Amino acid sequence: KQEVTQIPAALSVPEGENLVLNCSFTDSAIYNLQWFRQDPGKGLTSLLLIQSSQREQTSGRLNASLDKSSGRSTLYIAASQPGDSATYLCANLYSGAGSYQLTFGKGTKLSVIP
Amino acid sequence: NAGVTQTPKFQVLKTGQSMTLQCAQDMNHNSMYWYRQDPGMGLRLIYYSASEGTTDKGEVPNGYNVSRLNKREFSLRLESAAPSQTSVYFCASGGQGASSYEQYFGPGTRLTVT
Repeated sequence: KQEVTQIPAALSVPEGENLVLNCSFTDSAIYNLQWFRQDPGKGLTSLLLIQSSQREQTSGRLNASLDKSSGRSTLYIAASQPGDSATYLCANLYSGAGSYQLTFGKGTKLSVIP
Repeated sequence: NAGVTQTPKFQVLKTGQSMTLQCAQDMNHNSMYWYRQDPGMGLRLIYYSASEGTTDKGEVPNGYNVSRLNKREFSLRLESAAPSQTSVYFCASGGQGASSYEQYFGPGTRLTVT
């Protein structure tokens, strides 16, 4: 069974700092890896999707990387802002028993202090 | 484009009552999903539908039924609600194709069973 782990569970940084969120998974046979943002009491917003053939994706101040061989992905946030405070979830899509399954980590709760 | 919509936003049920959670998407996606999110457990897949007319069990299907009414709509039914089904329920839809399967989420339904 695919397992996804996110470390740390919570992170607090001062505004302006660059930071890295980590995601690891147990089965390297994935189709893609997706990073989401979730604000309190809200749904999930897709931030970046990395296909299995790619090494990284960038959107604005966000950069996500994927290393399938080591079972790891990182989300890099540059010049953090208070508005970045949210829970960040990673999820990977893999094929098992003839179907596609999206498995989530439990998230990293980020607080950016002004 | 409304994306993925869910009704209701909030619901309180008594043990043993039944209800149906509704989900609709306007992105012409083939695949639709139901997840539940619980503190400390992350998001877990309940049921999914890879295409109109098909449904499959996910990780935690017990106590639930689903109907893929048409390409746009995917409903989740609780026949006899139990306190263990208190959770936040998210519907998602996804594009299809070997290189994508990116998923988009609705705002969620917060369900309390007393």
